Amino acid sequence: DTGVSQDPRHKITKRGQNVTFRCDPISEHNRLYWYRQTLGQGPEFLTYFQNEAQLEKSRLLSDRFSAERPKGSFSTLEIQRTEQGDSAMYLCASSSGSVLAGAAYEQYFGPGTRLTVT
Amino acid sequence: AQTVTQSQPEMSVQEAETVTLSCTYDTSESNYYLFWYKQPPSRQMILVIRQEAYKQQNATENRFSVNFQKAAKSFSLKISDSQLGDTAMYFCALIQGAQKLVFGQGTRLTINP
Repeated sequence: DTGVSQDPRHKITKRGQNVTFRCDPISEHNRLYWYRQTLGQGPEFLTYFQNEAQLEKSRLLSDRFSAERPKGSFSTLEIQRTEQGDSAMYLCASSSGSVLAGAAYEQYFGPGTRLTVT
Repeated sequence: AQTVTQSQPEMSVQEAETVTLSCTYDTSESNYYLFWYKQPPSRQMILVIRQEAYKQQNATENRFSVNFQKAAKSFSLKISDSQLGDTAMYFCALIQGAQKLVFGQGTRLTINP
């Protein structure tokens, strides 16, 4: 396992369409995070999972956004009825969550999915 | 609420020089972690260095070191013997427990040949 992977890397969609992104975390990492990054800014937290449980959602995550991690492994982020303001880089990260691992709180990021809404 | 502030939007130095990136933060918690992440152009975020708040000793990773001043809530990153490959956006980030990272606005660092 070489790291966090995300698919697709780029997505261009028309306003009003639905899109879904996938994230595969580092094997055995039980925590998975989604962030959104706009050009020239730092990433902003969207939501995170511990195993299959979604433990926190940001107010940025409107009701058009939904995330799942059905078996505690990969996760999907869906955006319904996309708007131009949704154009951003969507980043996924994972962490081990185990204090025995020493670096329990280090988050490792994937390459991101760049969404462009036209 | 936790906040992270990076007051230097851009910096530029010559190759082999030493550069220091500034970061201040605010949190009401006593137990937290601080990180510096590097994001090269069109490439993914890479963890550079980590500092546990309960440790007084400043973290170092090869050419990268931090100056952690807990009372002042300051966490600067020093890059020694800078290399062209250090050109990137650098983000300071704060985390409490296994929760969300709170990022600063970033500093765009350019290393010139």
